Amino acid sequence: DAGITQSPRHKVTETGTPVTLRCHQTENHRYMYWYRQDPGHGLRLIHYSYGVKDTDKGEVSDGYSVSRSKTEDFLLTLESATSSQTSVYFCATEGTNTEAFFGQGTRLTVV
Amino acid sequence: AQKITQTQPGMFVQEKEAVTLDCTYDTSDPSYGLFWYKQPSSGEMIFLIYQGSYDQQNATEGRYSLNFQKARKSANLVISASQLGDSAMYFCAMRELDTGRRALTFGSGTRLQVQP
Repeated sequence: DAGITQSPRHKVTETGTPVTLRCHQTENHRYMYWYRQDPGHGLRLIHYSYGVKDTDKGEVSDGYSVSRSKTEDFLLTLESATSSQTSVYFCATEGTNTEAFFGQGTRLTVV
Repeated sequence: AQKITQTQPGMFVQEKEAVTLDCTYDTSDPSYGLFWYKQPSSGEMIFLIYQGSYDQQNATEGRYSLNFQKARKSANLVISASQLGDSAMYFCAMRELDTGRRALTFGSGTRLQVQP
């Protein structure tokens, strides 16, 4: 258990509104990741962080931004939510064997 | 670019039988790691097993083993003595270890259903 907590666990929001998802870890891991999971696509990387204030884009970063002001917190913001961003979002950190440990996921619905 | 392919969208297996879930990968990095994750209906991602590209032996973890064939670029997951609790989505993933891109790349997954 890598002590990863995602909040909220479920959210329904309206198109065009900003949304922020939070990931909190207690293991002092340097690397943190945000993925989205959609049917038929597995998990796809949105953004990742390799340290405080150090972030970079993944393969599906359009419409998303991230921030990491503290080691333990990694925030994902949907600047203006669209229906195509309805998905399950997972935060992950990196373990000792380089495996990823995941949070429990956030189910986001944009209506 | 790295890529993971899982060609079996769904699989059925009888309880107590063994099952193999297929995974092929593509990478130009000679140093990489291969992972399998289980996602039950409750939604959490559970790490199962890891294989490094330079590991001489196939990885095993309890009832899970990874059939690693480097020349064929395949990393199949073998579950022995299937149990009803093994019913879940299974994802194969890879990380390239020399490129600096540490994030995992996932396949599209295989849904396994274990029948009594």
